[in-house]
Amino acid sequence: ETGVTQTPRHLVMGMTNKKSLKCEQHLGHNAMYWYKQSAKKPLELMFVYSLEERVENNSVPSRFSPECPNSSHLFLHLHTLQPEDSALYLCASSQDMRVHYTFGSGTRLTVV
Amino acid sequence: QKEVEQNSGPLSVPEGAIASLNCTYSDRGSQSFFWYRQYSGKSPELIMSIYSNGDKEDGRFTAQLNKASQYVSLLIRDSQPSDSATYLCAVNIEQAATSGGYNKLIFGAGTRLAVHP
Repeated sequence: ETGVTQTPRHLVMGMTNKKSLKCEQHLGHNAMYWYKQSAKKPLELMFVYSLEERVENNSVPSRFSPECPNSSHLFLHLHTLQPEDSALYLCASSQDMRVHYTFGSGTRLTVV
Repeated sequence: QKEVEQNSGPLSVPEGAIASLNCTYSDRGSQSFFWYRQYSGKSPELIMSIYSNGDKEDGRFTAQLNKASQYVSLLIRDSQPSDSATYLCAVNIEQAATSGGYNKLIFGAGTRLAVHP
């Protein structure tokens, strides 16, 4: 374990389902991130939270809804997804301005 | 749009050889640079960070940075089959925020390295 825990590890959902991805960090970091990784493409930054405040939202469709109830937990709520949303969703956390990220193990999402 | 470019590969090298991985970036203001290794089906793990021009060595890994040319490279000496993975170059963008600031990483698409016995 890296100190950042993501659940579930794998998720298969239909296009009409509602599900949530969870991320929890035990490192005392002050920023948390959601990235999407599709095959053969760079990691795409989706959302950034700093001290529970959303500070960046990179034109992500509204069918993805983040929630950060406290500095240790981050959720990604999913609703009416499309097959092209199938990807590896990675959570990361960091502290201060120059340190590196710690990634969670990711959730492999398949939309059918 | 700030970008990080890498050759997708695969880069194939024999065991024991030096693997050379390259990366260019577009934002001249970037100050921090990272190399992550990602095995298939796993999350990225940090292997090197570099902040100043020149070389930085850590075991079999050497990161090289040339800010004037906006170029970062990673050398892996004595390559082993266990080094076979995708190597991601990442550039840190520092952002101020009312809540205390944060850094965000912009990633390249990665270079797949295959080390064959």
